[in-house]
Amino acid sequence: NAGVTQTPKFRILKIGQSMTLQCTQDMNHNYMYWYRQDPGMGLKLIYYSVGAGITDKGEVPNGYNVSRSTTEDFPLRLELAAPSQTSVYFCASRVERWAQHFGDGTRLSIL
Amino acid sequence: AQSVTQLDSQVPVFEEAPVELRCNYSSSVSVYLFWYVQYPNQGLQLLLKYLSGSTLVKGINGFEAEFNKSQTSFHLRKPSVHISDTAEYFCAVLQAAGGTSYGKLTFGQGTILTVHP
Repeated sequence: NAGVTQTPKFRILKIGQSMTLQCTQDMNHNYMYWYRQDPGMGLKLIYYSVGAGITDKGEVPNGYNVSRSTTEDFPLRLELAAPSQTSVYFCASRVERWAQHFGDGTRLSIL
Repeated sequence: AQSVTQLDSQVPVFEEAPVELRCNYSSSVSVYLFWYVQYPNQGLQLLLKYLSGSTLVKGINGFEAEFNKSQTSFHLRKPSVHISDTAEYFCAVLQAAGGTSYGKLTFGQGTILTVHP
């Protein structure tokens, strides 16, 4: 049972490039989340989804997009990368019992 | 809206000493409370959670936390720490039900616990 899997683990982008951070979970969880983590700031919610076909904005959605076509996958898209998006990105999922399961993160640098 | 404040950004402690990591929250509705631990270059791992019932909850690795509704606090404690407890710890709250915040965790800023030999 792999849990929540994020790819890639590391990536360097140039300003203006685009990329998709992948997140897959094999626990059949309805709820999925994308967070970014910056030093001393805790985790900030970017987007979340309560099920396939349903997504909603979190605290810091600007510059990102998501889709949820299946229960398993919840990719995060950066269309025009900016230096302010340099961060560590975490995907998480949960069922109704409230505890979120986290992936190991994607470390993204934009230069 | 809900918010979480972790009162200490860094806590140094010697091995085998007790430790308390402080967390205060604010919310206009009932909440569930969590503590997560993050080891270097890893994701977050659930330590313990408070959903209802006894206000003293026990988690993994010998940690426990006490929910105090009147003081809106959820402090994390361990009576004797080990070197391996060195990590960053996050307190988080989740609105219990309904409203616009349903299902969304709000995290504190994190507390870095460093255990010295």
